[in-house]
Amino acid sequence: DGGITQSPKYLFRKEGQNVTLSCEQNLNHDAMYWYRQDPGQGLRLIYYSQIVNDFQKGDIAEGYSVSREKKESFPLTVTSAQKNPTAFYLCASSLTLAGVNEQFFGPGTRLTVL
Amino acid sequence: SQKIEQNSEALNIQEGKTATLTCNYTNYSPAYLQWYRQDPGRGPVFLLLIRENEKEKRKERLKVTFDTTLKQSLFHITASQPADSATYLCALRFQKLVFGTGTRLLVSP
Repeated sequence: DGGITQSPKYLFRKEGQNVTLSCEQNLNHDAMYWYRQDPGQGLRLIYYSQIVNDFQKGDIAEGYSVSREKKESFPLTVTSAQKNPTAFYLCASSLTLAGVNEQFFGPGTRLTVL
Repeated sequence: SQKIEQNSEALNIQEGKTATLTCNYTNYSPAYLQWYRQDPGRGPVFLLLIRENEKEKRKERLKVTFDTTLKQSLFHITASQPADSATYLCALRFQKLVFGTGTRLLVSP
């Protein structure tokens, strides 16, 4: 089965701790994305990557970091600098960054900071 | 900056009726527009894409229209079923894909 996996589904952390969210895809897609979703708000882009070893800040990158060492993997670290990290985090991928491409989403990780 | 507006109030309809959801945008027209379905606690799933030079697109019970003069897309589900209950997001491609907040559809038996 091809798709995107995110783990864990639920994550609890204490305030001040860094936490890393996993995202893996086996669709052979070049582009990958991280979004944050809060109640009543649309998906907001945190970071995106169009190719291995390259990534760009999205609209709300402050307090987050990413890496893209392998085509299949795009982990997101939520650092202690993120003021309000409790949210639903979605990872997505598409064939390429440009062009007419649909995005495929993972099941999401719900992060709660206590 | 680009603004996308979807009705934040839930749309309640009866089974068998046609559901119509609206997506309005400001400023520049996008190269294309996509519609996604999102169920509670899950990631969005792509449904349909329509380009700026297309007026209408259909897929089974789904129909999307795109009016660049009105800066609006309409998403229709005909013969709606309770299983169609979900949140529907529009996404517009400018320099990157920008998502609306979504409209929740509730189809009653």
